[in-house]
Amino acid sequence: DGGITQSPKYLFRKEGQNVTLSCEQNLNHDAMYWYRQDPGQGLRLIYYSQIVNDFQKGDIAEGYSVSREKKESFPLTVTSAQKNPTAFYLCASRLFWDSQNTEAFFGQGTRLTVV
Amino acid sequence: QKEVEQNSGPLSVPEGAIASLNCTYSDRGSQSFFWYRQYSGKSPELIMSIYSNGDKEDGRFTAQLNKASQYVSLLIRDSQPSDSATYLCAVNENTGFQKLVFGTGTRLLVSP
Repeated sequence: DGGITQSPKYLFRKEGQNVTLSCEQNLNHDAMYWYRQDPGQGLRLIYYSQIVNDFQKGDIAEGYSVSREKKESFPLTVTSAQKNPTAFYLCASRLFWDSQNTEAFFGQGTRLTVV
Repeated sequence: QKEVEQNSGPLSVPEGAIASLNCTYSDRGSQSFFWYRQYSGKSPELIMSIYSNGDKEDGRFTAQLNKASQYVSLLIRDSQPSDSATYLCAVNENTGFQKLVFGTGTRLLVSP
């Protein structure tokens, strides 16, 4: 089955720890995105990538880092510099990075909680 | 940052009625619009995309686009309790890299 797989589904982080959220897609999509969702709020863009070894900061990139070493993988690291990381993290992908008329599909999400 | 506005709701409708969800956007250059459904605790699921002015129908769902008024809507006919969810409007920001900007969503409650 083609799709986007995020892991883990739930993640608990201690203060001062870095944690990495996994996102893998087998749709052969060019573009990949990370969004953050807080209760009662819309999705806010953290980072996005159009091709391997290239990625751009979104609207709330501070305290996060990403890599895109393979087309199918776009992991997100939440660093200790992110002061309020508790949120629902969503990974998405689109077939083309430069076409408007391309639908985005989401993984199942990772719920991160600071303990 | 371009803006996408939605009424947070909740919008309450009885089973079998038509639910009307609305979205306005600020970027006049936007050409592509998407509606997602999100159940509580789950990820967004694409319902419809619309690229041209007018109506686009898919089963019980109809998306309506009016670029002159910068307005896009979603109609759900014969609403079912299973339609109870938050509906997110997404607008493609027409820059070099096509980014999606999301509204905060409208919560829909369909009562039996």
